Amino acid sequence: QLQLLESGPGLVKPSETLSLTCSVSGGSVSSNSYYWGWIRQPPGKGLEWIGTIYYSGGTYYNPSLKSRVSISVDTSKNQFSLRLNSVTAADTAVYHCARLETATVAYDYWGQGTLVTVSS
Amino acid sequence: QSALTQPASVSGSPGQSITISCTGTSNDVGSYNLVSWYQQPPGKAPKLMIYEGIKRPSGVSNRFSGSKSGNTASLTISGLQAEDEADYFCCSYAGGTTYVFGTGTMVTVL
Repeated sequence: QLQLLESGPGLVKPSETLSLTCSVSGGSVSSNSYYWGWIRQPPGKGLEWIGTIYYSGGTYYNPSLKSRVSISVDTSKNQFSLRLNSVTAADTAVYHCARLETATVAYDYWGQGTLVTVSS
Repeated sequence: QSALTQPASVSGSPGQSITISCTGTSNDVGSYNLVSWYQQPPGKAPKLMIYEGIKRPSGVSNRFSGSKSGNTASLTISGLQAEDEADYFCCSYAGGTTYVFGTGTMVTVL
């Protein structure tokens, strides 16, 4: 059974960089059948798509975040990562990593999510 | 890229049917048959319920069904059960390998 587990600091100061890693078990990030993505959910609000990455390194980002976001993949560690710079309180959210199946174009497995609070 | 519009809440009695709408634009919902729906119980991760607008993954009850008309996709839950109480989100492909989620709908079973 595929499992995704987010990890990283739960508290980030304003103007600094948020960094999270998603560790994948029970499957491989090197599969050509999937993309790997990040989605966030501010407290009490809806889901916001951040971006996705393919195992070959191709990346696709939400236009509203594109100037601040970077997603990378490490096939040797079977994980992928998110970096969001110049954070503000508006970036406070639960951050989920998820797998996107290319055949169905849907996120079929999700991590539980990790809360990141932006505060001084 | 604006969020897809969903009603904030929908409620129904056990056994009834409810429908959740998801309204986008001709750039997303209207252009692609690639809407997915997710169920998110409180404090849990989202679960895929519908993909490609109308298809159910293995293991998802046939009480859940999807449809689309123009720029609006819909999720119908028939035979509403207490276990269906959760938040529901739609998501659409928006071209250029980008995606947009809906604002979310809280389903309450009365």
